[in-house]
Amino acid sequence: AQRVTQPEKLLSVFKGAPVELKCNYSYSGSPELFWYVQYSRQRLQLLLRHISRESIKGFTADLNKGETSFHLKKPFAQEEDSAMYYCALHNAGNMLTFGGGTRLMVKP
Amino acid sequence: DGGITQSPKYLFRKEGQNVTLSCEQNLNHDAMYWYRQDPGQGLRLIYYSQIVNDFQKGDIAEGYSVSREKKESFPLTVTSAQKNPTAFYLCASISGQGRGDEQFFGPGTRLTVL
Repeated sequence: AQRVTQPEKLLSVFKGAPVELKCNYSYSGSPELFWYVQYSRQRLQLLLRHISRESIKGFTADLNKGETSFHLKKPFAQEEDSAMYYCALHNAGNMLTFGGGTRLMVKP
Repeated sequence: DGGITQSPKYLFRKEGQNVTLSCEQNLNHDAMYWYRQDPGQGLRLIYYSQIVNDFQKGDIAEGYSVSREKKESFPLTVTSAQKNPTAFYLCASISGQGRGDEQFFGPGTRLTVL
């Protein structure tokens, strides 16, 4: 069975500090991993996907198959980054499994 | 703000009543999903449908039912058999063409059982 784990429910950092949101997964096949973000009073939306190897809003995430991790990182957090972040795994059956989410609070 | 719409935004239900949550999409997506979002538990899959007239149970299907008579619509019924229905419900869709595709979400319906 596939599983996505986000060990931190809440992460609080000061503006300008580096931030890392952790995500670990278990999946027997080749994973397709995503980060979704939900800002206050907005819809859940895609932040980035590992196959694109892109940086969105200064965030990056690298898939580490050896450690089965897909941590989300940003070198300098901004107050507008405060949101709920979900890591998700897309399996071959077109299903997404979500982690429990991490609330990021960036303090001024 | 098209794409996926859900109605109503807020819904109140008395115990023992069935209620139906609406989900419509104009993205021409094949696959549609229903999730339940509870604090600290992330999103849990209730039901999903990859094509019209076909759907599968997710991780927490007990007490829920769905139909997919049209590509655009995927209503969710919360039945009286659902023991703890108070939650935030999210509908989503995906084109279904590849595993790297983005899943698009509706604005959600908050259901409260009185």
